[in-house]
Amino acid sequence: AAGVIQSPRHLIKEKRETATLKCYPIPRHDTVYWYQQGPGQDPQFLISFYEKMQSDKGSIPDRFSAQQFSDYHSELNMSSLELGDSALYFCASRGGGTRRFDEQFFGPGTRLTVL
Amino acid sequence: AQSVTQLDSQVPVFEEAPVELRCNYSSSVSVYLFWYVQYPNQGLQLLLKYLSGSTLVKGINGFEAEFNKSQTSFHLRKPSVHISDTAEYFCAVRNRDTGRRALTFGSGTRLQVQP
Repeated sequence: AAGVIQSPRHLIKEKRETATLKCYPIPRHDTVYWYQQGPGQDPQFLISFYEKMQSDKGSIPDRFSAQQFSDYHSELNMSSLELGDSALYFCASRGGGTRRFDEQFFGPGTRLTVL
Repeated sequence: AQSVTQLDSQVPVFEEAPVELRCNYSSSVSVYLFWYVQYPNQGLQLLLKYLSGSTLVKGINGFEAEFNKSQTSFHLRKPSVHISDTAEYFCAVRNRDTGRRALTFGSGTRLQVQP
């Protein structure tokens, strides 16, 4: 079965650079969530989209922005990167026939390292 | 607002022994409850969830959890663990009502199964 795809899997950037993380949800899923997991920490919710509109906002810094496109894939744009942005970024999708089970399916994550 | 407390950051246990990973939550509204497992360098995989109905929930890999509303707990159990169960386990909650559907995670419990 198709899963959530995230790209790239690994990304190395320097301070003050920008980065774009991509998430491709499971086909027919209309909702995407972004989470940030710092080293040794629990995942923290950043932002979510439903039907291409922002549906909820968590602890996303102002330097970050995100959107969901017409094909339901989502991109997380990160600017003025800081050392503290080094983390594993997860995308999760929800919807389709599994909506009633209220399950979010997680991708493998993008590991961002800021030097 | 919701919060999740996982009292044990690490749980060492011998192979074939039983294990219980504790999870307590706090919320002003009704919640759904989840347990996720994260193997090294991998994404989050759903173990089990409680949405409604029977308070004893069975999941994958022989795990089960019991929802106790009066104690606001959702402890995870397995009667006999294997080496392959070594991983990080996260308890999570989600607002049952419409509105924020993002997950709030606990800080995680690292289960270390020893031979």
